[in-house]
Amino acid sequence: GQQLNQSPQSMFIQEGEDVSMNCTSSSIFNTWLWYKQDPGEGPVLLIALYKAGELTSNGRLTAQFGITRKDSFLNISASIPSDVGIYFCAGQPRRGNLIFGKGTKLSVKP
Amino acid sequence: DGGITQSPKYLFRKEGQNVTLSCEQNLNHDAMYWYRQDPGQGLRLIYYSQIVNDFQKGDIAEGYSVSREKKESFPLTVTSAQKNPTAFYLCASSPGTSGRKQFFGPGTRLTVL
Repeated sequence: GQQLNQSPQSMFIQEGEDVSMNCTSSSIFNTWLWYKQDPGEGPVLLIALYKAGELTSNGRLTAQFGITRKDSFLNISASIPSDVGIYFCAGQPRRGNLIFGKGTKLSVKP
Repeated sequence: DGGITQSPKYLFRKEGQNVTLSCEQNLNHDAMYWYRQDPGQGLRLIYYSQIVNDFQKGDIAEGYSVSREKKESFPLTVTSAQKNPTAFYLCASSPGTSGRKQFFGPGTRLTVL
């Protein structure tokens, strides 16, 4: 079946740093979604992308729909402590349901 | 407030018992979904429904059952046939039937003892 590769699996951030993560697929997607999940809670939708090349921001978050339609990127600028959590990408092929990546866990540097 | 509610937040059951998880939405969304989440894994689709009185199996439907008698409600039953039921269960809904923008409830953590 179709799979999404999300990387990195985990990363440590220091307040003020910029953060980047991405998802890649072996097949073309028509939709990319980015979610954030806090421990024990449901994922919260951050950004939705529907067109190749689309660049969308939500506050300090910016996501892009790759022009090949097989990847997407999420950037967080000037990170703050409340950015910690797990970020999931989800892509939808032309036919079929959403497919989720395994998540990128953001933690604070000790 | 508009949103998706799941109850209970935590559920404990003995092995061999069926258990039903509740999901309600007041967003007037057409489609509803059930996902299972295991540690370190992405979400896996159990069942989905795009219209009342109709539902489709997802990738891991074995051992689960659903009903969609009302637009607002999509309960999930975890049956005794589900071999490894302990997990975090998430309900989602989306406007329209394409599923291109899904919103999630707070989840139910089921522990089978």
